[in-house]
Amino acid sequence: EDQVTQSPEALRLQEGESSSLNCSYTVSGLRGLFWYRQDPGKGPEFLFTLYSAGEEKEKERLKATLTKKESFLHITAPKPEDSATYLCAVQAGYAGGTSYGKLTFGQGTILTVHP
Amino acid sequence: DVKVTQSSRYLVKRTGEKVFLECVQDMDHENMFWYRQDPGLGLRLIYFSYDVKMKEKGDIPEGYSVSREKKERFSLILESASTNQTSMYLCASSSYYGTKGNQPQHFGDGTRLSIL
Repeated sequence: EDQVTQSPEALRLQEGESSSLNCSYTVSGLRGLFWYRQDPGKGPEFLFTLYSAGEEKEKERLKATLTKKESFLHITAPKPEDSATYLCAVQAGYAGGTSYGKLTFGQGTILTVHP
Repeated sequence: DVKVTQSSRYLVKRTGEKVFLECVQDMDHENMFWYRQDPGLGLRLIYFSYDVKMKEKGDIPEGYSVSREKKERFSLILESASTNQTSMYLCASSSYYGTKGNQPQHFGDGTRLSIL
């Protein structure tokens, strides 16, 4: 069974204090790892897709990296507007040719950035 | 930009009622999904559809059914609502990933459903 574990559950940072969020996974044949941001009362917003170990993606103050067992979301010099829940999800190799792209989500890390 | 629209942001229903949640996407996506999100349990997949009139059970299908009569619309049905179905319901869509790569799912803003 595919499993995704995110840590820490919650993270409080001061504005400008860089840090990292972790996503550990076990999956039979990773086809993609996805990072989402979710604001209160809203649906998850897509951030990045990573496909293979060693890959990195960047967007503003966020940088996602991938190894064979985990992914990190690095936040450089965060601002209060980066406060949100960050979700990680994995997509395993599909069975029977069905193209549904089922995702398994972690529980998320709640990030709070204080001014 | 991809737009996934859920018909209601908030909904209050009574136990035993039949409840319909509607979702429409505007990107001609083949795949559509229904999740529920609960504190401490994360997002859990209820049902998904990879084509019109096609559906597959997710991880927690009990008490739910779905309908996909048109490509852009995916409905979630609570056959006889119960209090344990009070939750945030999220709809998502994605394009076929076999030849185009693993396309991400795009989510609507959710329907917060309360069953009294």
